[in-house]
Amino acid sequence: AQKVTQAQTEISVVEKEDVTLDCVYETRDTTYYLFWYKQPPSGELVFLIRRNSFDEQNEISGRYSWNFQKSTSSFNFTITASQVVDSAVYFCALSEGGYGGSQGNLIFGKGTKLSVKP
Amino acid sequence: GAVVSQHPSRVICKSGTSVKIECRSLDFQATTMFWYRQFPKQSLMLMATSNEGSKATYEQGVEKDKFLINHASLTLSTLTVTSAHPEDSSFYICSARALGEYEQYFGPGTRLTVT
Repeated sequence: AQKVTQAQTEISVVEKEDVTLDCVYETRDTTYYLFWYKQPPSGELVFLIRRNSFDEQNEISGRYSWNFQKSTSSFNFTITASQVVDSAVYFCALSEGGYGGSQGNLIFGKGTKLSVKP
Repeated sequence: GAVVSQHPSRVICKSGTSVKIECRSLDFQATTMFWYRQFPKQSLMLMATSNEGSKATYEQGVEKDKFLINHASLTLSTLTVTSAHPEDSSFYICSARALGEYEQYFGPGTRLTVT
């Protein structure tokens, strides 16, 4: 069965600190996708990244970076030099298999609430 | 591109009444739409998946007679909460996916409060 675990419920940091949000997943599929979304207080989900199971390259986008390790089934997200605007709930999600039907449904973790204080 | 809208953004209704939420893909044809529910400080839970022109597939534990989903066109899906009760108060989010694509594009959500 697929499952996404975000063990950190809430994290509080001071501006300019680096912070890593953990995500551990479970799946029996060899083909799957991992996602990170940001949900600010307004509620709208903001897509951050998608990774497929065959691409273990780490990715950096500005202050954001992602570390995908299949050996530990983890897909961690790091924000460097955090800013107040980064305050939000961050969700990690898993999607198995290919297109259509029930495949491609997103299974979300419980989210990590990040508070960045000035 | 790939914009999904929801209407209304907020709705308050009385217990026992029905409320309809619309989800529209504005610049693409959405062959599949998903409906999620998010209770306060909790994660998103998939309620149902709908494919254009066919009946929705509901997740276990979701009452299909209570949460009516219609996906009558390639740009519109509706969720009707029938005989709403206070426990139905939640944040409802839809997402849409185009044929042949993997990405889901999320709407801004609808906050339902049942008094």
